[in-house]
Amino acid sequence: QLQLQESGPGLVKPSETLSLTCTVSGGSISSSNYLWGWVRQPPGKGLEWIGSIFYSGTTYYNSSLKSRVTISVHTSKNQFYLKLNSVTAADAAVYYCARQSEYCTDISCQGWFDPWGQGILVTVSS
Amino acid sequence: DIVMTQSPDSLAVSLGERATINCKSSQSLLYSSNNKNYLAWYQQKPGQPPKLLISWASIRESGVPARFSGSGSGTDFTLTIGSLQAEDVAVYYCQQYYGTPLTFGGGTKVEIK
Repeated sequence: QLQLQESGPGLVKPSETLSLTCTVSGGSISSSNYLWGWVRQPPGKGLEWIGSIFYSGTTYYNSSLKSRVTISVHTSKNQFYLKLNSVTAADAAVYYCARQSEYCTDISCQGWFDPWGQGILVTVSS
Repeated sequence: DIVMTQSPDSLAVSLGERATINCKSSQSLLYSSNNKNYLAWYQQKPGQPPKLLISWASIRESGVPARFSGSGSGTDFTLTIGSLQAEDVAVYYCQQYYGTPLTFGGGTKVEIK
């Protein structure tokens, strides 16, 4: 079955760039009708959508993070990536990658997240 | 942004009893063109990622026990656990996928009384 796995540094210094990779196995990242998303969860808190990408490279970002976020995809590696610039302590969280269904309304084409990776805890500290 | 408000923040229910979680959206999640509500429910156990339980407000995912049910339309939604089991202790989240940014409710923690 489809599995996702996050990887990357668990510790990032303030003002530096957080870089994570999500590796997809058991299926192709080039599947149509799916997006690939990033969601984060600060310790003890709720879930925040960061952004999503289609295999073609089309991206959708949360406006609250848009100026600092870049999501990209490498279809031949079956991976997608997250970069978050200028991190602060507020960016410390468990970062999840997930496959996202795609269903359209009059204002967007998005969906639910399933399955999810196990998550990676990123700490921001000097 | 569509704001998702869950209530209560936590609840304690006896084993075998019903648990009801509410989720209210700041604007309608019902898309008139297909008459579908763009709302999902997740279960998150400690140290685990969220698990999708329900999509389209009421469609249970394959493998999800029948004691979990979703209902509601428009702006008001409910997740019901019909007969609480010990393994249902978790935090439950609703999520709207009608518009971006995608937003989640703040979560409801379900415990055993």
